[in-house]
Amino acid sequence: NAGVTQTPKFQVLKTGQSMTLQCAQDMNHEYMSWYRQDPGMGLRLIHYSVGAGITDQGEVPNGYNVSRSTTEDFPLRLLSAAPSQTSVYFCASSMGGNTEAFFGQGTRLTVV
Amino acid sequence: GQQVMQIPQYQHVQEGEDFTTYCNSSTTLSNIQWYKQRPGGHPVFLIQLVKSGEVKKQKRLTFQFGEAKKNSSLHITATQTTDVGTYFCAGPEWAGTASKLTFGTGTRLQVTL
Repeated sequence: NAGVTQTPKFQVLKTGQSMTLQCAQDMNHEYMSWYRQDPGMGLRLIHYSVGAGITDQGEVPNGYNVSRSTTEDFPLRLLSAAPSQTSVYFCASSMGGNTEAFFGQGTRLTVV
Repeated sequence: GQQVMQIPQYQHVQEGEDFTTYCNSSTTLSNIQWYKQRPGGHPVFLIQLVKSGEVKKQKRLTFQFGEAKKNSSLHITATQTTDVGTYFCAGPEWAGTASKLTFGTGTRLQVTL
């Protein structure tokens, strides 16, 4: 099983550019989420989804958009990249918001 | 919103020494989960505790959930270099229509020979 697949693994953006981080899972999980990881800050929730067509904001949603058109996919869009968005981004899926989360390999994003 | 703090932020031990990380939530939790992230890797689920006062063991790792369900600890006996990584606790927070998982700040463990 592939589990949770994130692409790309690495990305460098210029300030103001937009891009989409892809996330796909093959476990038929209803719940998917995006986190960013910064040194000393742990994992902070950006957006999450409890099923296709339903999304909600997490702790740090500003500057990011999400949509959930299928159960499998949960892309994260950066609208206009800023240096403060330099981080490692993780996508996760689970059966529910209070159950074991399975993480993707992460995307290391640098905004210059 | 819910705050989940961990201490210490960093610990350096010699192989064979014990290690403990503590997790404290600002709210009562329905369960607590623990994850391990190896350097350069992604978080991997270790265990979930549900009951007040629950203690679970995985080989050299002992996990405990506090009586008030607001704190938890992870204790590693006789650390090995394979224990190197960052350990996170995580607790679900009810957000009105669904739960969302809030992670602690993490404890980075370094083990040297």
